Amino acid sequence: KNQVEQSPQSLIILEGKNCTLQCNYTVSPFSNLRWYKQDTGRGPVSLTIMTFSENTKSNGRYTATLDADTKQSSLHITASQLSDSASYICVVAGYGGSQGNLIFGKGTKLSVKP
Amino acid sequence: GAGVSQTPSNKVTEKGKYVELRCDPISGHTALYWYRQSLGQGPEFLIYFQGTGAADDSGLPNDRFFAVRPEGSVSTLKIQRTERGDSAVYLCASSLTGVQAFGTDTQYFGPGTRLTVL
Repeated sequence: KNQVEQSPQSLIILEGKNCTLQCNYTVSPFSNLRWYKQDTGRGPVSLTIMTFSENTKSNGRYTATLDADTKQSSLHITASQLSDSASYICVVAGYGGSQGNLIFGKGTKLSVKP
Repeated sequence: GAGVSQTPSNKVTEKGKYVELRCDPISGHTALYWYRQSLGQGPEFLIYFQGTGAADDSGLPNDRFFAVRPEGSVSTLKIQRTERGDSAVYLCASSLTGVQAFGTDTQYFGPGTRLTVL
């Protein structure tokens, strides 16, 4: 069964600190992996999209890594800010199948405290 | 439009009533998706449209749920005989082509409609 698992479920860090969120998937055949940021009461917003040939991609203070062999991805946030408080959702796209081929994780809820 | 819009932003209804939720996608986007999100969970797929047709409705939980996109733009999610378990945020997203396999088709989400069934 195609699944996307994220850890930790929630995380609290102090402003200015770095953190890393994890995503493991079993989607096969794999096409690409996305990270979304979802602020409370808002819809998710795309941060990065990585295909199987890409190992890392950055978007400002956000850096995503992908290991297609071990089927793992991480999202690293550098020098966290209060505005980084949100849920971060990992989404994996596969080939074929349906639903536009997107499998969503449950998200990691990040709280950045002053 | 500038982004995906959804109306209403909040809907409170009584058990057994009928509700309609509306989604206005980004102009020109052929693909439209509906998701349901419960508190603390990721979005759960409901239905995906390519143009006017439902390309995949495998996520609709039962026959009380139905969605249409008659002109290939605006979509309406319809829920009959609402139940308390239907309470959730209903998210709509659109993308340019709906071809997710190449990593070039970004989904843009609306703010969601929060449905509360009393």
